[in-house]
Amino acid sequence: SSELTQDPAVSVALGQTVRITCQGDSLRSYFASWYQQKPGQAPVLVIYGKNNRPSGIPDRFSGSSSGYTASLTITGAQAEDEADFYCKSRDNSGNVVFGGGTKLTVL
Amino acid sequence: QVQLQESGPGLVKPSETLSLICTVSGGSINNYYWSWIRQSPGKGLEWVGHIFYSGATNYHPSLKSRVTLSVDTSKNQFSLKLSSVTAADTAMYYCARYGRTGTTIYYFDYWGQGTLVTVSA
Repeated sequence: SSELTQDPAVSVALGQTVRITCQGDSLRSYFASWYQQKPGQAPVLVIYGKNNRPSGIPDRFSGSSSGYTASLTITGAQAEDEADFYCKSRDNSGNVVFGGGTKLTVL
Repeated sequence: QVQLQESGPGLVKPSETLSLICTVSGGSINNYYWSWIRQSPGKGLEWVGHIFYSGATNYHPSLKSRVTLSVDTSKNQFSLKLSSVTAADTAMYYCARYGRTGTTIYYFDYWGQGTLVTVSA
């Protein structure tokens, strides 16, 4: 299956660390990429590859991968990190698949 | 800085064809894949398809029979046509650049702001 599974919602206290996970068979072959989407805005790439951050993305965002699971970690979550987060991968046919998204609440 | 801008009708009648164009500025359309991604109101992201600058395409399996992507390198544009639309096709449609590093790292690094398309009579 090329599906990606994410927890629908996660919460974190301000300044604490939170991990958002993504599970799927395709992650054994391809790295996940992660996108942050705030209300009314287009998604923004925050992590790709093993643990690469595009220019402008704070270093509190990091990525990791093990087996069928990819993770996005926010170390020292800020209020402005509250958003929906999506993982993305692809299958061997070149088709793209997104996870269902995780709504992050910063308490 | 690469920028993408979607354009096209915001209202399409059921059974008609949805047509959108994405204009790329600040960089060449050559040597990249270019994608369409949509998001129904209150829902998650759904990949529609992508096209290489040379014209090679991949489409979402469930939309394959209704989707056509094309590219115009002379205008630095690519386009989406989705036929026989229904209310289920109502969504925000985003265009994005599909980048690649090696053979295992793929990502959407630049996105348009999105355009809302409503299917209604």
